[in-house]
Amino acid sequence: GENVEQHPSTLSVQEGDSAVIKCTYSDSASNYFPWYKQELGKRPQLIIDIRSNVGEKKDQRIAVTLNKTAKHFSLHITETQPEDSAVYFCAASSPKDYKLSFGAGTTVTVRA
Amino acid sequence: NAGVTQTPKFQVLKTGQSMTLQCAQDMNHNSMYWYRQDPGMGLRLIYYSASEGTTDKGEVPNGYNVSRLNKREFSLRLESAAPSQTSVYFCASHRGIYEPLHFGNGTRLTVT
Repeated sequence: GENVEQHPSTLSVQEGDSAVIKCTYSDSASNYFPWYKQELGKRPQLIIDIRSNVGEKKDQRIAVTLNKTAKHFSLHITETQPEDSAVYFCAASSPKDYKLSFGAGTTVTVRA
Repeated sequence: NAGVTQTPKFQVLKTGQSMTLQCAQDMNHNSMYWYRQDPGMGLRLIYYSASEGTTDKGEVPNGYNVSRLNKREFSLRLESAAPSQTSVYFCASHRGIYEPLHFGNGTRLTVT
């Protein structure tokens, strides 16, 4: 099955700086890569996603890039704000089945 | 429109007891999932149901059973609880593989 690795496990940034989280996946058939944000005590919620026919996608301060050849994708948050503090999960899924496999998560702390 | 509703929110079991976690969605979604979340391990898939009438094992199915009762409901049963099953359990659903996963609020289960 799919194996998703995520780095780093924790990330502390100064408010206004950028944050980058990287993920790799193992199944070359995977073609959908969403990112979820989970605030403390809350449920995970989708913040951005990308399909394999696109190399980059941006939504305001958040962007995701995908390198299919290297089988890795990254989340970029610019101009970080205190409300960006949360756990972020990357995920990957293949059209072979309906399973979405998650990375272990990155705890992001934005220092004021 | 309640989204994904999970019950109970909290539960404490003794080793060997059984219980069923309930999940219902009112979004007419085809696919439903059960994940467990443990510190440092992300969200691990227990079982999923790609469509009404089908269920499949995820990456950590041992000790669990599921029932897709109808299109709305997908329950998770622990027949003989063990301390290793202490976790936060999330139910989720979506319309299709490229659609966002909608999570319930989670069930915090402690097995003593």
